[in-house]
Amino acid sequence: DIQMTQSPSSLSASVGDRVTISCRASQTISIYLSWYQQETGKAPKLLIYGASTLPSGVPARFTGSGSGTDFTLTISSLQPEDIATYYCQQSYSIPRTFGGGTKVEIK
Amino acid sequence: EVQLVESGGALVQPGGSLRLSCRGSGISFSGYFMNWVRQAPGMGPEWISYINPPGLGIHYADSVKGRFTISRDNAENSLFLQMSSLRAEDTAVYYCARSQGVYDYMDVWGKGTTVTVSS
Repeated sequence: DIQMTQSPSSLSASVGDRVTISCRASQTISIYLSWYQQETGKAPKLLIYGASTLPSGVPARFTGSGSGTDFTLTISSLQPEDIATYYCQQSYSIPRTFGGGTKVEIK
Repeated sequence: EVQLVESGGALVQPGGSLRLSCRGSGISFSGYFMNWVRQAPGMGPEWISYINPPGLGIHYADSVKGRFTISRDNAENSLFLQMSSLRAEDTAVYYCARSQGVYDYMDVWGKGTTVTVSS
């Protein structure tokens, strides 16, 4: 199974700050990488797919980058509504696997 | 509006069985892969199964293989998960999710249904 490792597990930042979350795969996954945002008590929401593509409706302050084994999710200017836990997930092979999550809080 | 709605979650004893359903509305259900993803309390999501559009291509996570069965009824826009030999560690919120595209991303999720396995 491909292991997905996220860092940090949590972070606290101020509104307007640039926030970066890392995700590392235990083997190469090309760009078969999605990011999801999960607010407390809600279902995950697709944020990025194909490592860097934003679905329609996702704010442009979210960007994804990377390929192979190392990926990054960046929030260019943190907003109060971005408070959530973020998960990466690989779709390169079965079983699909998620990272452990990064909880983002406002300082 | 594209929507998935799960049902069937309940409190069940260890060793028991349960059948979850997921009904789609506002989407062309039959053309998509469908997944079940669960999330135990305080944990991250865990993918457990998917089924291809015709219902013939199926995969399971090792944690549920041999105990859970995924199926679908495209005419009814419905997805199912038959769960048997339930264990305490199966306690979770169960989500159905549509996936699509070359990168098989899960773009539509239901709100989830809660399964609690306890005596």
